[in-house]
Amino acid sequence: GENVEQHPSTLSVQEGDSAVIKCTYSDSASNYFPWYKQELGKGPQLIIDIRSNVGEKKDQRIAVTLNKTAKHFSLHITETQPEDSAVYFCAASKRDTGNQFYFGTGTSLTVIP
Amino acid sequence: NAGVTQTPKFQVLKTGQSMTLQCAQDMNHEYMSWYRQDPGMGLRLIHYSVGAGITDQGEVPNGYNVSRSTTEDFPLRLLSAAPSQTSVYFCASSFIGTWGNIQYFGAGTRLSVL
Repeated sequence: GENVEQHPSTLSVQEGDSAVIKCTYSDSASNYFPWYKQELGKGPQLIIDIRSNVGEKKDQRIAVTLNKTAKHFSLHITETQPEDSAVYFCAASKRDTGNQFYFGTGTSLTVIP
Repeated sequence: NAGVTQTPKFQVLKTGQSMTLQCAQDMNHEYMSWYRQDPGMGLRLIHYSVGAGITDQGEVPNGYNVSRSTTEDFPLRLLSAAPSQTSVYFCASSFIGTWGNIQYFGAGTRLSVL
């Protein structure tokens, strides 16, 4: 099956700095890579996703990049704000497997005011 | 529009007890899933359903049963709870986008098995 590794497990940045979280996957057939943000006491919420036919996608301060050859994808948050503090999860799946998602182990991001 | 609703939010069980975690969605999504979240292990898929009457096993199905009699509801049953099932459980519903499954998660059920 798929194996998704996520680094770092914890990350602290000063407000206004950038944060980068990296994930690798093992199954070259995976073609959909979502990122989720989980705030304390809540369920994960989709913040951005990327498909395997796209190398980069941006949504305001958040961007995701994908390198299919190296089988890794990254989340970039620019101009970080205290409300960005949360746990972030990456995931990988194949569209034709229905609901089979494989998640990374999470990154706890703290933005220091 | 409530989205995905999970009940209860918290539960304490004794070893050997049974219980059902409820999950309901009002978005008419065909796909529903159950995950467990343990420290340092991310989310792991327990069971999932691609429509009413259809369920399948995920990564960690042992000790759990599911059924899907309606589009809206997808309960998770623990027949004989064990301490290893202490975890936070999340239900998700989703629809198929152009390339992948867009998932919406509930707020979770925190379960302790003593």
